[in-house]
Amino acid sequence: GEDVEQSLFLSVREGDSSVINCTYTDSSSTYLYWYKQEPGAGLQLLTYIFSNMDMKQDQRLTVLLNKKDKHLSLRIADTQTGDSAIYFCAENTGNQFYFGTGTSLTVIP
Amino acid sequence: KAGVTQTPRYLIKTRGQQVTLSCSPISGHRSVSWYQQTPGQGLQFLFEYFSETQRNKGNFPGRFSGRQFSNSRSEMNVSTLELGDSALYLCASSAQGTGLTDTQYFGPGTRLTVL
Repeated sequence: GEDVEQSLFLSVREGDSSVINCTYTDSSSTYLYWYKQEPGAGLQLLTYIFSNMDMKQDQRLTVLLNKKDKHLSLRIADTQTGDSAIYFCAENTGNQFYFGTGTSLTVIP
Repeated sequence: KAGVTQTPRYLIKTRGQQVTLSCSPISGHRSVSWYQQTPGQGLQFLFEYFSETQRNKGNFPGRFSGRQFSNSRSEMNVSTLELGDSALYLCASSAQGTGLTDTQYFGPGTRLTVL
């Protein structure tokens, strides 16, 4: 659970789709999460997916889970400037929550 | 339902001093976890308390300690502050803490600056 990996930076144009990727480590993790952190703030839970699902859609957010490859992604449709933030994926191994390094998303107007 | 609250929001201390941070979880939540967030190290797990007992602990020196009260409110204490302790300290609450179906909700954090 300790090496949840994410790319550090992503830059997209306003209106485009953003895809943030994450590789987690524990195949027994039951829930996987996406959090958003705006400057100077705590982490806000965006969405989560249960490990027996492949996909979950919530308005502009789509979470895809490839359990075989332990790969999780978050797609943000029609990205807006207000989506600029750091996005963290996390896994719950049942013993502890492990967070990725965070991906800083910059939306260019 | 009120969210997770942390006090104070900002704190400035000098090296060698000690500091106490407070966290009030969401009503009904029994687990409180603490994290240290720094630009270089990301989000690092400090410890988790459940029903007044420390249930999990990260890799931090003994200068970092915590406790939880019967109303689930938690405090963390850092003694003999060092410059490297400057960070955003985040508290997260969840209903059960480490259950596989549990979810953590975060407070706004306490920004600690050590001079």
